[in-house]
Amino acid sequence: EVQLLESGGGLVQPGGSLKLSCAASALSFNTYAMSWVRQAPGRGLEWVAGLSPAGGTTYYADSVKGRFTISRDNSKNTLYLQMSSLRAEDTAIYFCAKDDPSEGTFDYWGQGTLVTVSS
Amino acid sequence: ETVLTQSPATLSLSPGERATLSCRASQTVGSYLAWYQQKPGQAPRLLISVASNRATGIPARFAGSGSGTDFTLTISSLEPEDFAVYFCQQRTNWPPTFGQGTRLEIK
Repeated sequence: EVQLLESGGGLVQPGGSLKLSCAASALSFNTYAMSWVRQAPGRGLEWVAGLSPAGGTTYYADSVKGRFTISRDNSKNTLYLQMSSLRAEDTAIYFCAKDDPSEGTFDYWGQGTLVTVSS
Repeated sequence: ETVLTQSPATLSLSPGERATLSCRASQTVGSYLAWYQQKPGQAPRLLISVASNRATGIPARFAGSGSGTDFTLTISSLEPEDFAVYFCQQRTNWPPTFGQGTRLEIK
């Protein structure tokens, strides 16, 4: 069964940085696009960033463009999200998700990691 | 961006009843509309893709319909485990967007 396990969340001050990881298993990781989706406390879902299978093409929501960087290490079956210049409004649970571009869905999700931006 | 508006915000029903959830898009998304279920403390789970295709392992009581801008998720006879929050999502238009969710609660 496909498993995605996020880590790296925590408390960070405004303006600070944090790097999230997502380890994949039971998945031909290097053949699938991946995304990060976040959910602010008690709120809905917001797609944040996406990455092609080989890592050569990246996509970002306007709200994080220039501050967040998505990357992957296919040799380690791991997806990353480097977050900098963090703001209070970036506080959320961050999920990694496997893309299914043929159907336009996110078909597998991790359990999420909480990022809290506060002084 | 394409705004997805879900209604109602909250739906109060009893087990065994039929639930009808709506998702309306601000511009056409063709048939590429998905539905997810989320329970407290859990990740979203894909239920329906391409408007009406049930994902692997999803019971037949879940049915999706619609195209263009108007979509419906129907749960034919509610089971206790169906009470959760449901989100719709599109990727036809960039960026991918989600609806704000419908909370299905026990009456």
